[in-house]
Amino acid sequence: AQTVTQSQPEMSVQEAETVTLSCTYDTSESDYYLFWYKQPPSRQMILVIRQEAYKQQNATENRFSVNFQKAAKSFSLKISDSQLGDAAMYFCAFYNTDKLIFGTGTRLQVFP
Amino acid sequence: EAGVVQSPRYKIIEKKQPVAFWCNPISGHNTLYWYLQNLGQGPELLIRYENEEAVDDSQLPKDRFSAERLKGVDSTLKIQPAELGDSAVYLCASSLVPPNNQPQHFGDGTRLSIL
Repeated sequence: AQTVTQSQPEMSVQEAETVTLSCTYDTSESDYYLFWYKQPPSRQMILVIRQEAYKQQNATENRFSVNFQKAAKSFSLKISDSQLGDAAMYFCAFYNTDKLIFGTGTRLQVFP
Repeated sequence: EAGVVQSPRYKIIEKKQPVAFWCNPISGHNTLYWYLQNLGQGPELLIRYENEEAVDDSQLPKDRFSAERLKGVDSTLKIQPAELGDSAVYLCASSLVPPNNQPQHFGDGTRLSIL
């Protein structure tokens, strides 16, 4: 069975600085998708970035980028130039065939 | 486009009472998901619909939970009777088909509190 592990329950970053959130996963599949979702307090979950496992190039969306290491089964999220609005729970998720499996999340605090 | 709409946002009931949650997916999304999110955890899939067919309900506790998606659009998730351990956020999400490379769009969720 696939599992997703986020080993950092909480992280903090100064505004305008860079922070990296870690995620590892376990699967025997070779074709799958990985996602980072953001969930602000009491608000809906929003897709931040997506990575296809067959693509070697790391995905980038504006200030958000990933470091995808397929052999190591690692999928970290880097947030550059952090903003106060980035404060939220961040969930790493694995998708294969039909099911999205989430990690336990990392709470990101952003200090001015 | 309008997002996934869920109601109510909050629900407080006493244990053993029934409760129902409603979800309206994004127009054109024929895949619909119900998730359970416990405090401090990631969402866990309860049931997935493709059109009106429940294609994965393996994680739905069928003794007390039921769901339906009439006409392949709106969906309702019901708990009867509710237990203290059912206190959680219930999320609905939808996506296009095929689902494997289409992102899921989530609603705001319904926060259920059992007294």
